[in-house]
Amino acid sequence: QVQLQESGPGLVKPSETLSLTCTVSGGSISDYSWHWVRQPPGKGLEWLGYVYSTGSTNYNPSLKSRVIMSVDRSNYQVSLKLTSLTAADTAVYYCVGATDDSHYWGQGTLVTVSS
Amino acid sequence: IVLSQSPGTLSSSPGEGATLSCRASQAVTSNNLAWYQQKPGRAPRLLISGASSRATGIPDRFSGSGSGTDFTLTISRLAPEDFAVYYCLQYGSSPYTFGQGTKLEIK
Repeated sequence: QVQLQESGPGLVKPSETLSLTCTVSGGSISDYSWHWVRQPPGKGLEWLGYVYSTGSTNYNPSLKSRVIMSVDRSNYQVSLKLTSLTAADTAVYYCVGATDDSHYWGQGTLVTVSS
Repeated sequence: IVLSQSPGTLSSSPGEGATLSCRASQAVTSNNLAWYQQKPGRAPRLLISGASSRATGIPDRFSGSGSGTDFTLTISRLAPEDFAVYYCLQYGSSPYTFGQGTKLEIK
């Protein structure tokens, strides 16, 4: 069963860029679509977008061109970059690997945007 | 597509049944509707995909039904570990969207 582990800075300053990495183990990175979902503290879930292993992407328009997702097949990693951060981007960020009938989630990583 | 879940909070007792609703603002393509369970401090867990297909390892007391704009998650014979927040997700149209969640609490 595929396992996912998100990593990145826990604290980022406003206006800076967030870079998160999701390390994939126990499965082939080519077998899944890779999604990012976030959850502000005490609130609901928001889908940010997905990237296929081919590099094809689909982003949530709410992020207004601030987001880039990519796949590094050689290192079994999926990446998220989010620019021009504000306090509203404070959330737990989850990496999700999906097939037609299975969704595998990482444990999530809390990112706080604060000066 | 906006997903509206009801009720916002449901109070039930172990052993009872529970019915959670998810209504979409427009038809969900190919009934690509999933249900998740989330417990505090944990990642969501997939329960149902394709509106009615149980995910691997999910007990058969969980069942999903519905099509078009109206979907239901039914939990028969609530177990103590079932008290959590439940979200629906539509993945038939981009952007994918989640409902706001239903909190299932012990009465």
